[in-house]
Amino acid sequence: DTEVTQTPKHLVMGMTNKKSLKCEQHMGHRAMYWYKQKAKKPPELMFVYSYEKLSINESVPSRFSPECPNSSLLNLHLHALQPEDSALYLCASSQGAGVYTGELFFGEGSRLTVL
Amino acid sequence: GDSVTQMEGPVTLSEEAFLTINCTYTATGYPSLFWYVQYPGEGLQLLLKATKADDKGSNKGFEATYRKETTSFHLEKGSVQVSDSAVYFCALSESGGSNYKLTFGKGTLLTVNP
Repeated sequence: DTEVTQTPKHLVMGMTNKKSLKCEQHMGHRAMYWYKQKAKKPPELMFVYSYEKLSINESVPSRFSPECPNSSLLNLHLHALQPEDSALYLCASSQGAGVYTGELFFGEGSRLTVL
Repeated sequence: GDSVTQMEGPVTLSEEAFLTINCTYTATGYPSLFWYVQYPGEGLQLLLKATKADDKGSNKGFEATYRKETTSFHLEKGSVQVSDSAVYFCALSESGGSNYKLTFGKGTLLTVNP
């Protein structure tokens, strides 16, 4: 069983909708990540939070808005998305502590379809 | 910049066959190397890692050795099972840094038939 929990597992939304993806971990990790994965491709980094502060934004369009309410939770708010944003959105965490080891724990993902 | 090149598959094997998935890398520093696996319908899981030259990572019968002289980290398993069917990603990160970035290869789809 994964220790990073993502909800919902599947989401269908229209281009005018506002929705949110949620991620939770209870491993005491201090870095959390959002990745986007298209079919048959590797994951692409979107955002990194370190100690609840946004550390990296990989030039992601503003229609994606991340939020880290506390060290265990990570949200991704979605608004006015495009059909090409349809993908698997993966949340991950790592111990952080200022030194990155590359060892990430991934959730099972939220599969998003934009109509 | 950093990059990872892995054999693109798909790779189809019969159960109990020997598996090799090639991975080579380009990096400016001294990276840590990883193999991640993604089973159908799931997220990625760390399969094994190596943090310095000549280290061998191993897990679940899979092995990979960090070869600095050939900049390679090939994944091997002596006898694959149907349950090993998945996509395998080779990846690297610059060790000790704070850039929080993993560089992934394109992934190799492995299908094991009974």
